[in-house]
Amino acid sequence: SQTIHQWPATLVQPVGSPLSLECTVEGTSNPNLYWYRQAAGRGLQLLFYSVGIGQISSEVPQNLSASRPQDRQFILSSKKLLLSDSGFYLCAWSVILTGQTGELFFGEGSRLTVL
Amino acid sequence: AQSVAQPEDQVNVAEGNPLTVKCTYSVSGNPYLFWYVQYPNRGLQFLLKYITGDNLVKGSYGFEAEFNKSQTSFHLKKPSALVSDSALYFCAVRDRPANFNKFYFGSGTKLNVKP
Repeated sequence: SQTIHQWPATLVQPVGSPLSLECTVEGTSNPNLYWYRQAAGRGLQLLFYSVGIGQISSEVPQNLSASRPQDRQFILSSKKLLLSDSGFYLCAWSVILTGQTGELFFGEGSRLTVL
Repeated sequence: AQSVAQPEDQVNVAEGNPLTVKCTYSVSGNPYLFWYVQYPNRGLQFLLKYITGDNLVKGSYGFEAEFNKSQTSFHLKKPSALVSDSALYFCAVRDRPANFNKFYFGSGTKLNVKP
């Protein structure tokens, strides 16, 4: 069965420090991978998605970047964190196969607090 | 532009009573529709989906959803609410076939089930 791992679960960082959140998927190949941010426990904002190694699509100009160095690994980074980067970050994956809908499956999230 | 609306920030219902969480969508063409549930500090869990066929879709934990094309709605329902159903619920739509990698989420509805 497929599983998704996301870490760290909780992170407290000072303003101006770097960030690295990592996500890996097991049990599937060539997934679509996504990073979402959820602010104040509500709506989801799509930050990045990737359809393959090295392919990153950015949805919103951010102080963040994403990379996909391996097929099932997705990394969210920042060189210098801002207070506004605080939030709950969710990694997700989907696979589009013939005849299937490719729903999203989410990781457990990483809560980032920037002080 | 594709969009999903959840008109209620919060829904309150007594345990044992039926519940409805509303969702309307605006997309070009026929969409794929989804419902997700999120418990505090957790990732989103997939509940159910509509692709085509019967307008009433059954999903996990006794939930079902009714697709209404003329009203562009996809309301989530359960005949008898449980206290453990209290959570944040998200409606989502996925484009097809163009922009198939993009999901659009509603702002979420907090369901409170009181004993």
